[in-house]
Amino acid sequence: AQSVTQLDSQVPVFEEAPVELRCNYSSSVSVYLFWYVQYPNQGLQLLLKYLSGSTLVKGINGFEAEFNKSQTSFHLRKPSVHISDTAEYFCAARGANNLFFGTGTRLTVIP
Amino acid sequence: GAGVSQSPSNKVTEKGKDVELRCDPISGHTALYWYRQSLGQGLEFLIYFQGNSAPDKSGLPSDRFSAERTGGSVSTLTIQRTQQEDSAVYLCASSFGGFNQPQHFGDGTRLSIL
Repeated sequence: AQSVTQLDSQVPVFEEAPVELRCNYSSSVSVYLFWYVQYPNQGLQLLLKYLSGSTLVKGINGFEAEFNKSQTSFHLRKPSVHISDTAEYFCAARGANNLFFGTGTRLTVIP
Repeated sequence: GAGVSQSPSNKVTEKGKDVELRCDPISGHTALYWYRQSLGQGLEFLIYFQGNSAPDKSGLPSDRFSAERTGGSVSTLTIQRTQQEDSAVYLCASSFGGFNQPQHFGDGTRLSIL
């Protein structure tokens, strides 16, 4: 069974509109959670991480995510997207010696 | 540079050949990871090195895959007798030791098996 689930494989959104990319994790993984972004032909870049403390985590490029223990979710949000946000986004949870990744969400920002 | 460096960026080879992929981690990072990114498979963990400890090889898909990390720094992932299903992007990441340390990724090696 997959430990991290990204519910949407593709999300199209108009420029300057808000966006939410959904991520759920299973109780079998730790609650060290991460969001990464991957631009074409590049590696993964860390957007933000949740380790402990405040459930609202702010990251780079105006993104934020909220850890919700009761719903086992860690959804990524941005209030107003730009064309440059078009990329693949991966949610991940820390395992014993590695990260468990979701299958990714392709965000396409439409002008 | 300051980031994780991987080489080559692209590799095309014939089925049955051996390939070596190189990863140069961020200086000072004690942990090093290899992942494979395939279409339809997402990101799969392959192997993990931490300092001088025995590596966690639990993600290697077959005995054709092996990896070394020399001197606690540079790592080489070797695939012997390559198969077409080995075609993928191979990503290396490094981090400081510690369970909660974020991993920093290189740009990957795109491997194509003809």
